[in-house]
Amino acid sequence: DAGVIQSPRHEVTEMGQEVTLRCKPISGHNSLFWYRQTMMRGLELLIYFNNNVPIDDSGMPEDRFSAKMPNASFSTLKIQPSEPRDSAVYFCASCLWGGGAWETQYFGPGTRLLVL
Amino acid sequence: KQEVTQIPAALSVPEGENLVLNCSFTDSAIYNLQWFRQDPGKGLTSLLLIQSSQREQTSGRLNASLDKSSGRSTLYIAASQPGDSATYLCAVRGSQGNLIFGKGTKLSVKP
Repeated sequence: DAGVIQSPRHEVTEMGQEVTLRCKPISGHNSLFWYRQTMMRGLELLIYFNNNVPIDDSGMPEDRFSAKMPNASFSTLKIQPSEPRDSAVYFCASCLWGGGAWETQYFGPGTRLLVL
Repeated sequence: KQEVTQIPAALSVPEGENLVLNCSFTDSAIYNLQWFRQDPGKGLTSLLLIQSSQREQTSGRLNASLDKSSGRSTLYIAASQPGDSATYLCAVRGSQGNLIFGKGTKLSVKP
């Protein structure tokens, strides 16, 4: 398996522009997570999905952030409009959940976002 | 609210030394605990997963222990090598499945 795939790997944009980050989870995994990593705050959960349904989006910083999972093999995280404080590394992760058991969570390589 | 703390924040040791990284969490009602490694500019690699009912897990030179009642976990690295240099992250999972991370311990193993 190719693991969790994220694109783009790097994104540089100007304040006010729309940014879309993409993620393809590991085939067969039914849970998908979006995290953000900064020096100041470390790794923080933004939102996660089970079976394509958003379960907890309490970590989404504000209405400028939105996430979708239209099918089991694709998810997007959108920031509109982007601001310099959104600059961070955004990670997507996936795992298998079933029968009340959570398995190992696997992370993608991340998208490094810089908003100028 | 669950909080995860890792001590020390940074550690430098000579090659060959055995070392222990510490992780503590405030809410003992965890589902499991996972240790990750992160190399500079890279994603996270899962090292060990300990279920709440387990006391330890081993993989090669790595051994992770869990004491849920006291809210502590340790990662033991035997015979450290320069290739072990990385940031090690501890994360606890609640019943909802989300991982809550510590800030990590940056390890440097000098030849």
